[in-house]
Amino acid sequence: EVQLLESGGGLVQPGRSLRLSCAASGFTFSYSAMSWVRQAPGKGLEWVAGISGSGGATYYADSVKGRFIVSRDNSKNTAYLQMNSLRVEDSAVYYCAKNSKLAARAPVDYWGLGTLVTVSS
Amino acid sequence: DIQMTQSPSSLSASVGDRVTITCRASQDINNYLVWIQQKPGKAPKSLIYDASSLQSGVPSRFSGSGSGTQFTLTITNLQPEDFATYFCQQYHNYPLTFGGGTKLEIK
Repeated sequence: EVQLLESGGGLVQPGRSLRLSCAASGFTFSYSAMSWVRQAPGKGLEWVAGISGSGGATYYADSVKGRFIVSRDNSKNTAYLQMNSLRVEDSAVYYCAKNSKLAARAPVDYWGLGTLVTVSS
Repeated sequence: DIQMTQSPSSLSASVGDRVTITCRASQDINNYLVWIQQKPGKAPKSLIYDASSLQSGVPSRFSGSGSGTQFTLTITNLQPEDFATYFCQQYHNYPLTFGGGTKLEIK
């Protein structure tokens, strides 16, 4: 059974950093690209970043480019989202999602439960 | 960026009904579209990928169609557990983009 468990969310002040982790199990981790998607309270879904199965290719939404870094450790079956220079508008539930193929430009087939990030002074 | 426009934004229906939700892309995305269901307070769940292929374990009352710029999600014989919000997402180009969502409510 595919499981994706996010951690690392919490309350942080504007301008500070936070690192989210996504522990994966139930599939061959290195065979799947991974994505991060967020959802602000009461709003729709917003794609944030994606990373290929090897980790060699990364992609970002313009709203986070230059501030967030997506990475993965295939030996630990874990994906990460390093969030720097956080803004109030980054407050959201962050979902880790598994893509169905190696390439990040592939449909998501499984989603994690999400972790809440609140940016506030 | 590719804009994804869903309609309607909300919809009321009864158990047993057939409903259709539409998603329009601002440019040709071939069939690179996924439909996603989200219930209140829960994680999203992918239902259909490549516009018309059913994700494993998803009931056959869900179906998707379309290609290019116009897509539809159809749910036949609505069940109580189907009342949720539905999103479309394109994966043809970066940045990957979502539709605004369609909230399906019980009439």
